[in-house]
Order: sequence, then C-alpha cells, then structure tokens
Amino acid sequence: EVQLVESGGGLAQPGGSLRLACAASGFTFNAHWMHWVRQVPGKGLEWVSRSNSDASGTIYADSVKGRFTISRDNAKRTLYLQMNSLRVEDTAVYYCARDDGGNCFDYWGQGTLVTVSS
Amino acid sequence: SYVLTQSPSVSVAPGKTATITCGGNDIGTKSVHWYQQRPGQAPVLVIYYNTDRPSGIPERFSGSNSGNTATLTIRRVEAGDEADYFCQVWDGRSDRGVFGTGTTLTV
Repeated sequence: EVQLVESGGGLAQPGGSLRLACAASGFTFNAHWMHWVRQVPGKGLEWVSRSNSDASGTIYADSVKGRFTISRDNAKRTLYLQMNSLRVEDTAVYYCARDDGGNCFDYWGQGTLVTVSS
Repeated sequence: SYVLTQSPSVSVAPGKTATITCGGNDIGTKSVHWYQQRPGQAPVLVIYYNTDRPSGIPERFSGSNSGNTATLTIRRVEAGDEADYFCQVWDGRSDRGVFGTGTTLTV
C-alpha cells in the first residue's frame, strides 16, 4: 500500500524557516518524481515544487522560487521541503504527492499545516 | 500563466447526474486530471488522462476533454460524492502544475 506521511509543520514567524518531510512507503521511491502542493484552509490547491527521481532536476512555483528548496534522500525514502524567508501568505496545509510519470498526482499524503504568524 | 476556470458550486439531487466543467485555452490538447477532496481530507485522484479511472473509483465517474472544456461527470450521485473537485493540468510552456479553482458539489 502506497503511503505518504508528512511532518514538520507548525508555527513560524515571518522571515523564519521550517523544514517539511514526507516519508514514503509501499512503492519504489527512487523511481518516482515527487511534488509538493499546498492549500490555504478553505481555498484551492496550489502546486509548489517538483523533484525528479534523483533531485537533479527541481522546479518551483514563482511564489516560492528562491525561498523554498525541494530535496530528497532516496536511501531514507524521504522528500523534503526547506522553507526559508517565510511569509504570512505561505500559511497553508502542505501535501506531498507522488507523480505517476506524467505529472499526475496519483497518491497524496494527509498534509501538514504550516502557520506563519507573529 | 495558464488558467483553469471552474464554476464555484454545483448542486444535484441524489440519483441524478452531476456535471463539473473545467475551462482553459485549448485544454483539449492537454491531459486533464480530476481530484476529489472531501472535507478535512487529502485530495484523491478520480480521473486521469482525461478519461481513465484509477482502480477503486466507481464507474459512475467519467471524464471527457475537448476544445476549451474538460468535463467530469458523476452519474447516480450519492451523498458520499459531496466534496470539492479540482481539475489539473501540467502547463508544458511554463513547466508548472496548474489546478482549477475548484467546484463544490452539494448533494
């Protein structure tokens, strides 16, 4: 059974940092590209970032480019999102999602809430 | 940037058919995926590559895509189908993921 479990969310101050993690199981992690998607509570979904299978290729939404860094440790079967220079508007539930090979998100984690507030 | 537009809400009686649309410029040339999000839960893929259904998704769910509109159709709607539905494409020009604005289905 494919499982994705996010962790690392919490309260951060504007300008602060957080590191999210997504632990994967039930599939060959190093064979799949992975994504982060976020959702402001009560609002829509926003794609954030993608990593290819070995993290040699990463892309970001313009809203987070230069502040967030996606990475992965295939040995630990874990995807990360390092979030720096956090802004109030980064407040959201952050989901990791598996790429099926065609930029379709076929499995999602349960999400972790990030709140940026002073 | 590429924009996907959905009606904010759709209301349908149990047993009837719900039609949820996703508009985008020449969306018919792209692969469209649909996600169901029940309150308090993570999104779940219900239709991928315009018309395909993942295992475990009822046959009542179907999709189509042509021209400037992609459509998710849910036949014989049940109370458990009440959720938010989001369409999604990959914008090859910008190499970014794009989600629709979302539609709340009320049964």
